[in-house]
Amino acid sequence: KQEVTQIPAALSVPEGENLVLNCSFTDSAIYNLQWFRQDPGKGLTSLLLIQSSQREQTSGRLNASLDKSSGRSTLYIAASQPGDSATYLCAVSGNTPLVFGKGTRLSVIA
Amino acid sequence: GAVVSQHPSRVICKSGTSVKIECRSLDFQATTMFWYRQFPKKSLMLMATSNEGSKATYEQGVEKDKFLINHASLTLSTLTVTSAHPEDSSFYICSARRVLNQPQHFGDGTRLSIL
Repeated sequence: KQEVTQIPAALSVPEGENLVLNCSFTDSAIYNLQWFRQDPGKGLTSLLLIQSSQREQTSGRLNASLDKSSGRSTLYIAASQPGDSATYLCAVSGNTPLVFGKGTRLSVIA
Repeated sequence: GAVVSQHPSRVICKSGTSVKIECRSLDFQATTMFWYRQFPKKSLMLMATSNEGSKATYEQGVEKDKFLINHASLTLSTLTVTSAHPEDSSFYICSARRVLNQPQHFGDGTRLSIL
């Protein structure tokens, strides 16, 4: 059974810092991996989708990498801003529906 | 881009009421739809998977008679919480997918509060 773990559970950084969020999964037989953002009380916003054949995806200040063989992904956020404060969820898709990690709660302090 | 619309966004009702939540894929045909539940400060838990025209497959521990799922067309799935009680209060999110190896797209969620 696929299990997704995210580290750290919470992170607080000053504005302007670069930061890395980590995600690991136990079953490397995946189709794709997605990173989502969730604001309090809101739904999910898809940030980046990496297909299993890809190594990384970039969107603006966000860069996500995927190492399928080791079961790891990282989300890199450059020059963090207070508006980046949210919970970031990693999820993997294989023969099962998306399996989510518990998320990393990010606070960027102005 | 793929858009999933979920309605209503918020429901407040009395204990014993049945509540229906709709999930629509607006610009694509979804062969599979998913229903998730999220408790405060927790991650999303899959409740059930439904394929168009078939009975839903429920995850272990989810009562199929309590949470009725219908996926009658390629663009619409409904979740009905029957005889809702305060413990059913939660955030429910639907998701839709075209085919197996394509990404899942999510609705904005429904916050259900049972008094």
